[in-house]
Amino acid sequence: DQQVKQNSPSLSVQEGRISILNCDYTNSMFDYFLWYKKYPAEGPTFLISISSIKDKNEDGRFTVFLNKSAKHLSLHIVPSQPGDSAVYFCAASPIQGAQKLVFGQGTRLTINP
Amino acid sequence: NAGVTQTPKFQVLKTGQSMTLQCAQDMNHNSMYWYRQDPGMGLRLIYYSASEGTTDKGEVPNGYNVSRLNKREFSLRLESAAPSQTSVYFCASTLGPSARETQYFGPGTRLLVL
Repeated sequence: DQQVKQNSPSLSVQEGRISILNCDYTNSMFDYFLWYKKYPAEGPTFLISISSIKDKNEDGRFTVFLNKSAKHLSLHIVPSQPGDSAVYFCAASPIQGAQKLVFGQGTRLTINP
Repeated sequence: NAGVTQTPKFQVLKTGQSMTLQCAQDMNHNSMYWYRQDPGMGLRLIYYSASEGTTDKGEVPNGYNVSRLNKREFSLRLESAAPSQTSVYFCASTLGPSARETQYFGPGTRLLVL
C-alpha cells in the first residue's frame, strides 16, 4: 500500500504562472515532510521541508503547505521558471524511525515558455 | 569536493550473476543510505547505515547485502541477481543520523538484469 501518494504523474504550467504539486499521505504517524527535486540522469536534491507543528514553510519561490486534518501537503512554485522542469518527490518521515523516509511516486513538472 | 559518487553508472547482468554497487562520499557524513527507484514507485529504502560499523534494513532489503567499509564507503551487493532487481539505485548520505536532514544523493546506477 502506498502510504505517500502523488496522484498526478505529470503537470504542465506556463512560465511565470504558479505550479502546485500535491501529495497525500495515509499514515498519521508521519510528522515531518520533505520535497526533493530530480533532473534526468541525476540524483534527487533537497528542496524544502516542513514539520507537522507548522502549516506553512516558505523559501524564496517555494512554499509548502501542510493540512494535517486532510493529510495533504502541497508545494507551490511562483513564479515558475523553465529550470523548474523536473520530477518532484514528496517524502514523509514517521515519529518513530527518523532514519527512514517514505517517498511518493513523483510528479513530472514541465514549464512551458 | 565530489559529494556522493557511485560506480558503475550502468550495468547489465544475467540472472544469477552477482555484483557490488559502490558508493563513496567525501563530506564526512555519518549516515549513508541505499534506495531503489522503479517506475511508478518513487524511491524505496533498501538499507541504511546510521554510523560506521552499523547497518539496518529498510523497506525492501530482500536479495541485497550491504557493507559499511569505513566512514566514506557504503556498498550494496546483489548475490544472485533477479529480473525484479532491474532498477535505478541511488546512494545518499546525511551528516547526522536522521533522514530528515538534507540527504545528498549520488547520480545513480542503472541496473538491468536479463
